[in-house]
Amino acid sequence: KQEVTQIPAALSVPEGENLVLNCSFTDSAIYNLQWFRQDPGKGLTSLLLIQSSQREQTSGRLNASLDKSSGRSTLYIAASQPGDSATYLCAVRLKGGSEKLVFGKGTKLTVNP
Amino acid sequence: NAGVMQNPRHLVRRRGQEARLRCSPMKGHSHVYWYRQLPEEGLKFMVYLQKENIIDESGMPKERFSAEFPKEGPSILRIQQVVRGDSAAYFCASSPLGHTEAFFGQGTRLTVV
Repeated sequence: KQEVTQIPAALSVPEGENLVLNCSFTDSAIYNLQWFRQDPGKGLTSLLLIQSSQREQTSGRLNASLDKSSGRSTLYIAASQPGDSATYLCAVRLKGGSEKLVFGKGTKLTVNP
Repeated sequence: NAGVMQNPRHLVRRRGQEARLRCSPMKGHSHVYWYRQLPEEGLKFMVYLQKENIIDESGMPKERFSAEFPKEGPSILRIQQVVRGDSAAYFCASSPLGHTEAFFGQGTRLTVV
């Protein structure tokens, strides 16, 4: 059974810091891994999608890496801003069957001005 | 191209009533997934549908919950005889193919009183 774990559960940093969010998963049989952002009371916004054959993806100040063999992904946020405050969710899409997403519980990020 | 549209955004039901949640996928997307987010929990898969077919309902409670995705119109998640434990945020996601990038709606927040 695929399990996704995100560490830390919460993180508070001063504005301008670079930071890393971690995601680990137990089964490497995945199509892809997706990072999302969720603001309080809102839906999920897709940030980055990494296919299983890829090592990393970049979008602006965000960089996500994937090491499928070790079951790990990181989301790197450069020069953090207060507007980055949100919960960040990691999800893997399973191979076979319904190809559903399995989510971690998220990391709640607070960037203090 | 409008995103995934869910309505209503907020729904209040008394115990024993029925709740109907609607999801219109993005244009051109024929794969719809429903997920539930309980307070302080991660998102959990409920059901995967394609037009007129339920592909995987392994995450659905055995009783009171049903889902459909008719040939015409939105996907519907129906909860009969709601109980307080059904209070949660229900998210719909769509994709053009099952294992490609998932796009989420804003969710429906169900409160059972």
